Amino acid sequence: DTAVSQTPKYLVTQMGNDKSIKCEQNLGHDTMYWYKQDSKKFLKIMFSYNNKELIINETVPNRFSPKSPDKAHLNLHINSLELGDSAVYFCASSLRDIYGYTFGSGTRLTVV
Amino acid sequence: DQQVKQNSPSLSVQEGRISILNCDYTNSMFDYFLWYKKYPAEGPTFLISISSIKDKNEDGRFTVFLNKSAKHLSLHIVPSQPGDSAVYFCAASAEVESGGGADGLTFGKGTHLIIQP
Repeated sequence: DTAVSQTPKYLVTQMGNDKSIKCEQNLGHDTMYWYKQDSKKFLKIMFSYNNKELIINETVPNRFSPKSPDKAHLNLHINSLELGDSAVYFCASSLRDIYGYTFGSGTRLTVV
Repeated sequence: DQQVKQNSPSLSVQEGRISILNCDYTNSMFDYFLWYKKYPAEGPTFLISISSIKDKNEDGRFTVFLNKSAKHLSLHIVPSQPGDSAVYFCAASAEVESGGGADGLTFGKGTHLIIQP
């Protein structure tokens, strides 16, 4: 199946922990993204990687760091988790930021 | 299996005419639908939404129609303007989680709308 897959789907963790969310795409896309869904309506871009280079880095805390070992993977590492980090995080990929835009199914992070 | 489908990867419309973007869904648990607009190098921004208790929602030049029996929704933009050129995403969610997935949004693959002068 060609897709964007992110794991885990659910992540419950305590404040102060460090966690990672993995994302992989097998679509041959050259750009990958991480979004944070704060509410049903608002989807904020966090990072965008094109061919392993960071091209967008919105004003997210530096506790969040994207790691891209190759252009098929963009993992999100979060240090010192806080309650406010609880949200659904979406990974996505596309070709040249226009075509074939595909979202992953989301990861619900709950910080307790 | 794709639960939200936008079957037109791109759509070209003349300025001033009506743009109609279509979206089909398969999950009958979806009860809230959204449209997002995305410019290059930016994240998607929320445009308009509709709850399953309605069949139409209008906001200025944008109207979303929902046909629950056909599991189909459409976004109408009239009149179309050059600034409307963007990628449009249809998304859906279910108030009651089903299937064990993260209960966020399920997105279509987007339609690239090109408004021609």
